[in-house]
Amino acid sequence: DVKVTQSSRYLVKRTGEKVFLECVQDMDHENMFWYRQDPGLGLRLIYFSYDVKMKEKGDIPEGYSVSREKKERFSLILESASTNQTSMYLCASSLGLLDTQYFGPGTRLTVL
Amino acid sequence: AQSVTQPDIHITVSEGASLELRCNYSYGATPYLFWYVQSPGQGLQLLLKYFSGDTLVQGIKGFEAEFKRSQSSFNLRKPTVHWSDAAEYFCAVPYTGTASKLTFGTGTRLQVTL
Repeated sequence: DVKVTQSSRYLVKRTGEKVFLECVQDMDHENMFWYRQDPGLGLRLIYFSYDVKMKEKGDIPEGYSVSREKKERFSLILESASTNQTSMYLCASSLGLLDTQYFGPGTRLTVL
Repeated sequence: AQSVTQPDIHITVSEGASLELRCNYSYGATPYLFWYVQSPGQGLQLLLKYFSGDTLVQGIKGFEAEFKRSQSSFNLRKPTVHWSDAAEYFCAVPYTGTASKLTFGTGTRLQVTL
């Protein structure tokens, strides 16, 4: 079974802190994704990576950056956390075009 | 860009009853369509997907969905709901064409009463 793991289930940070969310997949997938999930808004794509060191902006990239130095690992970085970034963050991976996306359990981030 | 609409934010059904969750899409051609489920405290899991061919698609956990081009719909159905089906359900469509990126609907939360 594909496994996507996220470094933390719950995280509490202060405004202005730099925050790193880590995601690791164990199935050699080409594509990796970061979403945020908010009530009433569903999932919104923050960034997408289709290969090592390659990335594309999603719908809401402002305030975020990403890093993919190794195929299995995709990091989401909040350069200076703000309260409006309090949310559930979901990581996913997929093998190729239109393939099933496999999701991690999510990180619930609270920014105080 | 393609989009999906899930008109129902929240649905409550009794255990043993049938279920239909609605999904309408906006797409220029024959779409690729997906249904994902998020059980409490878990990540999303693919239930089923439609690419082409038979318009009635079978998925896991006894779910099925029917693609209706004339109605731009891809509704999810289950004949008999179990309490464990309580979850949030998301319909999704690729951003464009065969893109790997998906755009998700806002979700429908299903509550099952005993």
